[in-house]
Amino acid sequence: AQSVSQHNHHVILSEAASLELGCNYSYGGTVNLFWYVQYPGQHLQLLLKYFSGDPLVKGIKGFEAEFIKSKFSFNLRKPSVQWSDTAEYFCAVNENSGGYQKVTFGTGTKLQVIP
Amino acid sequence: DAMVIQNPRYQVTQFGKPVTLSCSQTLNHNVMYWYQQKSSQAPKLLFHYYDKDFNNEADTPDNFQSRRPNTSFCFLDIRSPGLGDAAMYLCATSRGVGNQPQHFGDGTRLSIL
Repeated sequence: AQSVSQHNHHVILSEAASLELGCNYSYGGTVNLFWYVQYPGQHLQLLLKYFSGDPLVKGIKGFEAEFIKSKFSFNLRKPSVQWSDTAEYFCAVNENSGGYQKVTFGTGTKLQVIP
Repeated sequence: DAMVIQNPRYQVTQFGKPVTLSCSQTLNHNVMYWYQQKSSQAPKLLFHYYDKDFNNEADTPDNFQSRRPNTSFCFLDIRSPGLGDAAMYLCATSRGVGNQPQHFGDGTRLSIL
């Protein structure tokens, strides 16, 4: 079974600091990768996704992620965080089975940005 | 504009008393999913519908069932809730064709007394 690991459970940063959240997955075949964000009191929203092509993916709000196949990783980065980035971030990996997606989520990383 | 709507946002039920959570979508997506998310844990897929085809995850307890009467609506029925079923329940949808991301509702937080 597919597994997704997010090693940082809780990250605290000051505004303007750089961010990198780790994500590793276990499946060795073709994968599609996602980062979702959940702001306090809101639903999960797609931040960015990787299906194919350029392994460096740019998402909304200045976030980017790099797919490194050899390392089974899809780390999320942002050069300079803002207080409004305080949220929980989930890495997810999908397998396309029978025409539908089965998505496995990581346990999430809570990011707290201090003004 | 809410596209995946879950009602209610908060639900309280008694131990052993059946409860139904509802989800509706305006996206006309083929696939609807139900996830259970407990505090500090990843969302865990319970089951999903691909159109009318029901797909149950192997480790989903029999206590959990689902109905999808039409494309727009999907229900999660918990027949005899136990204390361990207290969680956030998330509904999501996707096109089901190709690789499209899932769209999530706000969730229903279920408490068991």
